[in-house]
Amino acid sequence: GESVGLHLPTLSVQEGDNSIINCAYSNSASDYFIWYKQESGKGPQFIIDIRSNMDKRQGQRVTVLLNKTVKHLSLQIAATQPGDSAVYFCAERTDNYGQNFVFGPGTRLSVLP
Amino acid sequence: DTGVSQDPRHKITKRGQNVTFRCDPISEHNRLYWYRQTLGQGPEFLTYFQNEAQLEKSRLLSDRFSAERPKGSFSTLEIQRTEQGDSAMYLCASSLVSGSGSSYNEQFFGPGTRLTVL
Repeated sequence: GESVGLHLPTLSVQEGDNSIINCAYSNSASDYFIWYKQESGKGPQFIIDIRSNMDKRQGQRVTVLLNKTVKHLSLQIAATQPGDSAVYFCAERTDNYGQNFVFGPGTRLSVLP
Repeated sequence: DTGVSQDPRHKITKRGQNVTFRCDPISEHNRLYWYRQTLGQGPEFLTYFQNEAQLEKSRLLSDRFSAERPKGSFSTLEIQRTEQGDSAMYLCASSLVSGSGSSYNEQFFGPGTRLTVL
C-alpha cells in the first residue's frame, strides 16, 4: 500500500503507555486547529479539533492542548493501542471562515508490543 | 471508509499526457476540497468549492491544473501536460457548512489518487 511519511520524525511508545505528539504552528492569527491520523494507503482521518478560544479539549482517549502564547499544539493519546500506529498531522486554519488549512509535517507514531 | 470516494486510486502516466481524477463527496456535503500530498509531507491545499462555485485557489494550482464541480456534487481535477513534479497523492475532502455560516466543520477525506508521472 501507500507509504506515508517515509522520513518523518518517529515517536515509539509501548502499548498501553500514553503518547504525546507535538506540533508548532506558524500563524498567530489561526483560529481553528485539527489533528488528523493517516494510515498507509488512506486519506487523513479527523481525530479532534479545537478553536483558538479554548486551551483544552477532550475526546475519547485523546486530548488536544493549545498554547497560543508559544503557538504550540499537542495531542495526547491515552493507553496507546497498536491501532494507533499511523502518521499524525496537525492542521491550522490561517484565514477566518475560509478553508485554507495548513498542515504540519507530521509525526509517525509506532506502537511497540 | 469516510464516504468520500476517489477514482482512480492509482494512475501512471507519461510526461506530457493529460490526466483527470474524480471525487465523489458525501452526498449532502456542500463543500469540496482538493489537496496534494507528497511523500513525507502533509497535504497542501489546492482549491475548494462551495456547491458548484470555485471559491479559492492556491498558488500551487498552476494554469495546467483545472478543477470543476459542475452540478455541485462530484468534482474532477484535470492536469494537462503532466510533469514529473506532479507526481503526488491527490486528496479530495468534503464538508457540510450550515446556512448560518458556521465555519468549524470537519473535513472528511477520501483515500486519494496516487499519480506517478514517468
